[in-house]
Amino acid sequence: GAVVSQHPSWVICKSGTSVKIECRSLDFQATTMFWYRQFPKQSLMLMATSNEGSKATYEQGVEKDKFLINHASLTLSTLTVTSAHPEDSSFYICSASRPDMSSYEQYFGPGTRLTVT
Amino acid sequence: GQNIDQPTEMTATEGAIVQINCTYQTSGFNGLFWYQQHAGEAPTFLSYNVLDGLEEKGRFSSFLSRSKGYSYLLLKELQMKDSASYLCAVRDSNYQLIWGAGTKLIIKP
Repeated sequence: GAVVSQHPSWVICKSGTSVKIECRSLDFQATTMFWYRQFPKQSLMLMATSNEGSKATYEQGVEKDKFLINHASLTLSTLTVTSAHPEDSSFYICSASRPDMSSYEQYFGPGTRLTVT
Repeated sequence: GQNIDQPTEMTATEGAIVQINCTYQTSGFNGLFWYQQHAGEAPTFLSYNVLDGLEEKGRFSSFLSRSKGYSYLLLKELQMKDSASYLCAVRDSNYQLIWGAGTKLIIKP
């Protein structure tokens, strides 16, 4: 199988604080991990692509100093939302691809629901 | 620009068949994916097409025509648990996934 976990599954924080979300591939090595954000009733929006050991590639319009991504190992990537504001409240989903599969299918984590008060 | 079009919402009856269409215009093509997403959950993989034709997987089938920039997902013997959003995504020449907005499928008894 290919299991991706995220922690925490939900978090409530106060405006101005920082929140760290972890994404782990449990049974495979993920050279590439993706971070998405999804607002209610909208599609997935890719925020950034991270490769192990190198800097993340951010999509246009995503502030790299606000959304810090660290892909420290082949099984762990973290997203830190710094100085969170209510408009950052969203469903954050990570995914990982398996380079050993020709389809390069992305396996998604269960998501983290962030609420900033 | 790159664009994926799929209907916003569809309604079908339990036990029936429904076809969800997806048309795309992307810079290059390296495969098309269909994902299912239940409300409040992450997407789960349904199918992958890279060559023209029909891929069948149990109650679900996916069709691709690259010349027409067109795909459909066919769901047979609909069950109430099939109520979900269905996302079409195309991988472009840079191997980036371009996502459609999703089709919300409502199943009625």
